[in-house]
Parts: sequence; C-alpha cells; structure tokens
Amino acid sequence: DVKVTQSSRYLVKRTGEKVFLECVQDMDHENMFWYRQDPGLGLRLIYFSYDVKMKEKGDIPEGYSVSREKKERFSLILESASTNQTSMYLCASRTSGRLPNEQFFGPGTRLTVL
Amino acid sequence: QKEVEQNSGPLSVPEGAIASLNCTYSDRGSQSFFWYRQYSGKSPELIMFIYSNGDKEDGRFTAQLNKASQYVSLLIRDSQPSDSATYLCAVNAMYSGGGADGLTFGKGTHLIIQP
Repeated sequence: DVKVTQSSRYLVKRTGEKVFLECVQDMDHENMFWYRQDPGLGLRLIYFSYDVKMKEKGDIPEGYSVSREKKERFSLILESASTNQTSMYLCASRTSGRLPNEQFFGPGTRLTVL
Repeated sequence: QKEVEQNSGPLSVPEGAIASLNCTYSDRGSQSFFWYRQYSGKSPELIMFIYSNGDKEDGRFTAQLNKASQYVSLLIRDSQPSDSATYLCAVNAMYSGGGADGLTFGKGTHLIIQP
C-alpha cells in the first residue's frame, strides 16, 4: 500500500521561529512536492524536487526553503515563521513518466503561527 | 501560465440524482487528467484518471474527456450524502523545461448531496 507520511498533523509555532515540516514516501518516487492550501485559493505549489538534492521553485516560494538529502524524504523549512504562513501544508509524491503517474498526498499538516 | 478552471460551487444535488462536475484547461499539450476528492480537513484522494477522448466508467463515477474542447467532466450517478466533498480537477504539466512533471490543480468544486 502506497504511503506518504508527514511528521505532524497539527503544529503551533510562534512568529519568528524556524519551522521544519517533514515528508517521507515509501514508493521510490522521483518527484516530490510541497503545497499549501487556503480557502478560496486552492492548492498552491511552493517547491518541488525531481531528484535527490535537486529543487525547483513553485508558484509561491517566498519565505520557504526545502531540502532533499535522500530520495524518500523532502523537507519544507520556514526560515522565520510569520502569521500569513498559517495554512494547511500538503506533501505529495509522484513517479516520473510511467502512467498513470498520479500524485499521492500525505495527510497534511495544519500549521498555526501565532 | 497553465490554468485549470472549475466552478467553485457549491453545487447542490438531491440524493440519488446525477452530479455533474466540469473542468476546462488551457494547455493543449496536456495528456493525462485526474479527479481528486477532498473531504473537509483531509488530503485529496484520487478517484478517477483519464487519458483518451471519450468516457471512462468506474462504478458510480464516469470521467469524460474532450481534448478538442479542452474539457474534462466527472459524473457521479446515484449520488450519496457521503459524496459531499470538494472535487479537484488536475492536469499534467511539465516543470523546469522538461526536468520534472507534476499536476496543475483547479481550485475545486464544492459538492453538496442533499438527503
């Protein structure tokens, strides 16, 4: 059974804190993604990675960074958390090229920044 | 900018009726199309995918694709209250000049099945 796991379901942090969100997939997928989801705005891509140590900016990378040291793990880092980063964060993974190449999502992390 | 458009709803359908959800996309080069269901507070889960023009049926769900019109739809027959959710349309997209591929998502249609 395919699985994408995220380190926390709920997280509360203070403004200015450095925040780490971890994502692990067990499907040997090449591509991994970080999204945030806000009411009325849909899923917005923050960063993605198509290989170990490779990373690319998505649509809204400002205020975030990522790390992919191993194929199965993709971390999202909020360098200095701000209240406008309060959101649902979703990690996803996907194989490359081979159909049906759907994206599998983790359960999400609801982050609140106070 | 590749775009995927959906009516945000809410779309209200009586129990037992057919729910029809629609999606248009801007990139003519898109080849694979997905429908995800998302319950409130949960992550999206795949319910259908389609690659070829025409209809694809899976139980109570039918996906329809018309590449000439750049249009994808999802029909839910015999709608149940448990079908009440947000439905996301997604289309494959190439990132990074071909270095990676992923999905572009619509903002979703909120479906309410009335008992």
